[in-house]
Amino acid sequence: SQTIHQWPATLVQPVGSPLSLECTVEGTSNPNLYWYRQAAGRGLQLLFYSVGIGQISSEVPQNLSASRPQDRQFILSSKKLLLSDSGFYLCAWSVMFRRRESPQQFFGPGTRLTVL
Amino acid sequence: RKEVEQDPGPFNVPEGATVAFNCTYSNSASQSFFWYRQDCRKEPKLLMSVYSSGNEDGRFTAQLNRASQYISLLIRDSKLSDSATYLCVGLSGGYNKLIFGAGTRLAVHP
Repeated sequence: SQTIHQWPATLVQPVGSPLSLECTVEGTSNPNLYWYRQAAGRGLQLLFYSVGIGQISSEVPQNLSASRPQDRQFILSSKKLLLSDSGFYLCAWSVMFRRRESPQQFFGPGTRLTVL
Repeated sequence: RKEVEQDPGPFNVPEGATVAFNCTYSNSASQSFFWYRQDCRKEPKLLMSVYSSGNEDGRFTAQLNRASQYISLLIRDSKLSDSATYLCVGLSGGYNKLIFGAGTRLAVHP
């Protein structure tokens, strides 16, 4: 069965510090991978998605970047965190099934980031 | 205008009540629709897909009206365990890009 891991679970960082959040998926190959952010009391905002190694699409301009160094690894980074980067960061995956995309996305447990 | 809009609630209902959530969408989030459930401080999980003909899963019924760009979720015989935030979600474009509403919070009390 497929599982998705994220770490760390919680993180408190000072403004201006770097960030690296990691997401890994097990039990599937060539998944589509996604990074979302959920600010307190808000909906999920898609930040990045990736359809393959080294392929990253950014949805919104921001202080963050993403990388996919391996098929089942997705990393979210920042060189200098801002207060507005605080939020709940969720990684998700979905799989291509034959020629039709399975619409369901499966979410990891998330990382709760507080920037002080 | 937001692509997917929901009433944020909260909806406070007694056990056994029937409650309905509504959601409207813009054309860009118009391929397929879903309801996700998110418990407090947890990740969202798929509750059910929404089909044009309407679909039911136990106590849950989802409806889609493409002419009015309107989606609904009906929960019958509410349980305490139904307390959560319900997210209306549209599928937009390729690569399974999901567009999330801000969610409607439901609190079921004894």
